[in-house]
Amino acid sequence: DAGITQSPRYKITETGRQVTLMCHQTWSHSYMFWYRQDLGHGLRLIYYSAAADITDKGEVPDGYVVSRSKTENFPLTLESATRSQTSVYFCATVAGPSYNEQFFGPGTRLTVL
Amino acid sequence: GENVEQHPSTLSVQEGDSAVIKCTYSDSASNYFPWYKQELGKRPQLIIDIRSNVGEKKDQRIAVTLNKTAKHFSLHITETQPEDSAVYFCAASSHRDDKIIFGKGTRLHILP
Repeated sequence: DAGITQSPRYKITETGRQVTLMCHQTWSHSYMFWYRQDLGHGLRLIYYSAAADITDKGEVPDGYVVSRSKTENFPLTLESATRSQTSVYFCATVAGPSYNEQFFGPGTRLTVL
Repeated sequence: GENVEQHPSTLSVQEGDSAVIKCTYSDSASNYFPWYKQELGKRPQLIIDIRSNVGEKKDQRIAVTLNKTAKHFSLHITETQPEDSAVYFCAASSHRDDKIIFGKGTRLHILP
């Protein structure tokens, strides 16, 4: 859906470097999520946010940091990238607690060398 | 927290036959169960969902059933077509914490 974008779409970095993945939505949806997708593991929730300035850990939060100063943006930062963080990262939004359908961004393929 | 198990991990069916994918969940507070389809290189997209106050929902060739007592739900695809080949994910969510937890996915192959 055009209403949610991610940047960059592809990123190659080195172990130990800081990387920030951006997620932007144009709908002003309350909820935003970050998932990582790895073969054999499906989609695993990293962090999510119910509103600006409210964030919570998901299933696999270690090594990641998020912030949400504005409703439309939800950046994900890898403070010191490791090879195990090589993955495809998807951002998603949900309008609110009564609107469960998730809309996913196009994904960011991150490779950590 | 919620845990969603999905089976099988891979499924091959002849074109025109039916496919069934099954999921179980652990949190009795879960009340929303979506199914997503992901084609190669694309993002997951919702194909059907069901809420806990409904036992079955159908949309053309796709149907989902929910058994709250047993904590399992299933996706049924009838008259399968080549374009049904994809990875399918089940998920579960509750209003208690608003997280949506996914199963590990089923890769569906439709054989000619």
